[in-house]
Amino acid sequence: AQTVTQSQPEMSVQEAETVTLSCTYDTSESDYYLFWYKQPPSRQMILVIRQEAYKQQNATENRFSVNFQKAAKSFSLKISDSQLGDAAMYFCAYSGGEYSGGGADGLTFGKGTHLIIQP
Amino acid sequence: DAGVIQSPRHEVTEMGQEVTLRCKPISGHDYLFWYRQTMMRGLELLIYFNNNVPIDDSGMPEDRFSAKMPNASFSTLKIQPSEPRDSAVYFCASSLGSLMNTEAFFGQGTRLTVV
Repeated sequence: AQTVTQSQPEMSVQEAETVTLSCTYDTSESDYYLFWYKQPPSRQMILVIRQEAYKQQNATENRFSVNFQKAAKSFSLKISDSQLGDAAMYFCAYSGGEYSGGGADGLTFGKGTHLIIQP
Repeated sequence: DAGVIQSPRHEVTEMGQEVTLRCKPISGHDYLFWYRQTMMRGLELLIYFNNNVPIDDSGMPEDRFSAKMPNASFSTLKIQPSEPRDSAVYFCASSLGSLMNTEAFFGQGTRLTVV
């Protein structure tokens, strides 16, 4: 079974600074997908960024980028120019690829990192 | 589209009662997922459907839990009888196609409290 580990229960960053959230995962598959989701106090789960394991290039979405290290099974999220609206829980998630067995289309989540933005 | 709609937003019930959570996926989406979120266990996949057919229910914790999808626009998650340890936030999500090609859109969740 796949597992996703987020070792930082809470992180704090000054507004406008850069912060990196860590995520590691364990899988025996070679084809899979990784995601970062944001959950603000409203509870809504919002996709921040996704990465296909077969792509070597790291995904970027505006101020959000990832550092994907496939051999190390590491998938960190970097938030540049942090804004007050970035304060939320951040979840790293894994989904199996085309050749996975049952459950491939579901997401396996880490426990989350609570990000605090200091004004 | 209004997004994934879940009802109710909050539910408080007494132990032993039957609870039914409802979900309306985004129109046209062919995958529907039910997740449970607790402080202790985080977010867990309970079951998912493809074209209204349950594909994987290995995450359903006990026989007290059941889920149905009678048509493409409606799904229910039922707990009978409910227990205090079932207290959690239950999320429904839908996607157009596999997560290989798209993203899952989440509803705002139902916060269930069993007293």
